[in-house]
Amino acid sequence: DTEVTQTPKHLVMGMTNKKSLKCEQHMGHRAMYWYKQKAKKPPELMFVYSYEKLSINESVPSRFSPECPNSSLLNLHLHALQPEDSALYLCASSQPGAASPLHFGNGTRLTVT
Amino acid sequence: QKEVEQNSGPLSVPEGAIASLNCTYSDRGSQSFFWYRQYSGKSPELIMSIYSNGDKEDGRFTAQLNKASQYVSLLIRDSQPSDSATYLCAVSFQGAQKLVFGQGTRLTINP
Repeated sequence: DTEVTQTPKHLVMGMTNKKSLKCEQHMGHRAMYWYKQKAKKPPELMFVYSYEKLSINESVPSRFSPECPNSSLLNLHLHALQPEDSALYLCASSQPGAASPLHFGNGTRLTVT
Repeated sequence: QKEVEQNSGPLSVPEGAIASLNCTYSDRGSQSFFWYRQYSGKSPELIMSIYSNGDKEDGRFTAQLNKASQYVSLLIRDSQPSDSATYLCAVSFQGAQKLVFGQGTRLTINP
């Protein structure tokens, strides 16, 4: 059982839609991450929040907007996406610091039509 | 550019044999190293973390780290068909709170 929960599991959206991905962790971690993974590729970092503040943005297009309402919750707001944004979106959490391993949620499979 | 290199495979190993997965990294200052297993359509699952030179064993898994050679490996003993998955090497580079993943090695255990 994963202690990082992502909803929804699957999402299909049109290019004009606005939707949000949600992530909740119950591990007491203070760092949370969004990764994007395309088929047969490794996860690619999008954003890092540390102590609820955005610490890393890997030059992600503004149609992706992260939000960290508190230490347990992480959202990714989606607007005007493109078909090439279709991917598995992974949330992860860890303790802050380079030595702490990431624990991933089960992911949201996003399809943009 | 921080890089993590893995042989993408596929690597085929008979059941019961030892599977050996290798990874090299570019930043000599790296301190933390992780192996993740990812089944098709699922999310990565942490198998091992290693921080010091030498071997670290956990059940059938052994991680090996050689910082001088900038090399980290994962050995799986008594391989089982359920070990068939993609194995991702991840390195945390000095001063950065983010993991860089290798391309992953696809491992198939043949019964």
